[in-house]
Amino acid sequence: GENVEQHPSTLSVQEGDSAVIKCTYSDSASNYFPWYKQELGKGPQLIIDIRSNVGEKKDQRIAVTLNKTAKHFSLHITETQPEDSAVYFCAATNSNSGYALNFGKGTSLLVTP
Amino acid sequence: DAGVTQSPTHLIKTRGQQVTLRCSPKSGHDTVSWYQQALGQGPQFIFQYYEEEERQRGNFPDRFSGHQFPNYSSELNVNALLLGDSALYLCASRTGVNSPLHFGNGTRLTVT
Repeated sequence: GENVEQHPSTLSVQEGDSAVIKCTYSDSASNYFPWYKQELGKGPQLIIDIRSNVGEKKDQRIAVTLNKTAKHFSLHITETQPEDSAVYFCAATNSNSGYALNFGKGTSLLVTP
Repeated sequence: DAGVTQSPTHLIKTRGQQVTLRCSPKSGHDTVSWYQQALGQGPQFIFQYYEEEERQRGNFPDRFSGHQFPNYSSELNVNALLLGDSALYLCASRTGVNSPLHFGNGTRLTVT
């Protein structure tokens, strides 16, 4: 089955700096890669996603890049703000599994003022 | 427009008991999935329901079962609870299988 690895497990940045979280996946059939933000006491919230026919996608301060050859994808957050502090999860999936998500273990991001 | 709603928010059960968790999908969504999230871990897929049938299942024992109703709402049942079943149980919904998945805030189950 699919195995998703995520790094780093914790990340601390100063407000205004950029943050990068990286994930690798094992199943070459995977073709959908969402990113979720989870705040304390809440469920994961979809923040951006990318499909395998696209190499990069951007939404305001958030961008995701995908390298299918290397089987890795990354989340980039620019101009970080304290409210970006949360746990971020990457996931990978494909039609073979009915698009059931395989999650990484998460990255705890702390943005200090 | 209400998102995915789950009940109850918290639950405490004793080892060996049975539990039922409930979920109402986001308006317009017809596919419901359940995930288990242990503390400090990413969510793990339990199963997915579409048209009132279990369509996909993750690596969970038969003690975990579910149901989807005609109004698309869903239940997760866990029998013979173990201490290791303590976790946050997340319900998620989507329109069909190839669309973004939206999560509820989960039910925190504690087994003592």
